[in-house]
Amino acid sequence: NAGVTQTPKFQVLKTGQSMTLQCAQDMNHEYMSWYRQDPGMGLRLIHYSVGAGITDQGEVPNGYNVSRSTTEDFPLRLLSAAPSQTSVYFCASSYRQWDQETQYFGPGTRLLVL
Amino acid sequence: AQKVTQAQTEISVVEKEDVTLDCVYETRDTTYYLFWYKQPPSGELVFLIRRNSFDEQNEISGRYSWNFQKSTSSFNFTITASQVVDSAVYFCALRAGGFKTIFGAGTRLFVKA
Repeated sequence: NAGVTQTPKFQVLKTGQSMTLQCAQDMNHEYMSWYRQDPGMGLRLIHYSVGAGITDQGEVPNGYNVSRSTTEDFPLRLLSAAPSQTSVYFCASSYRQWDQETQYFGPGTRLLVL
Repeated sequence: AQKVTQAQTEISVVEKEDVTLDCVYETRDTTYYLFWYKQPPSGELVFLIRRNSFDEQNEISGRYSWNFQKSTSSFNFTITASQVVDSAVYFCALRAGGFKTIFGAGTRLFVKA
């Protein structure tokens, strides 16, 4: 298993540009989520999904869109990048069963918005 | 509302010292999950442990041990005989009332040789 994969690893954007961060998992996990990590603030939940076709907002959803058309993929879209979105983005997935609810994280995408 | 507090921003120890990382959580839910993750300098997040709210047994895994006390809403993590490879940022996290997971701000541990 490849686990949770994220692309790209690093991206530089100009203010106002749009882009999609890709996330995929091959563990047949129902739950997937996106976090951003900023210095001194830990990880904050952006959006999450409990299954294909179902998404919901986390703590900091503004400026981001998600969709979940398949179990495997959970892309994060930045509609109009802003410098405040400079961060490291992590995708995570987990099983739905309560006794297996451990999140597995991808390697992260480092985003710089100029 | 859920909240996780890691009051120690940075800790510096000398190799072979024991070190305890504190985690205090807040939730009104009776069923919840607590986690610890390690983030080494390479940046990935490594799962260390998950604890359910109805299981207060302490756990030991090699040099790592965890002390879960519901009475004080704490889930502390101790590394015995620390090593340089333990240098990392450690995150405590809480999941309650659904799927959302709340992370603490993290504690950066420096272990000097």
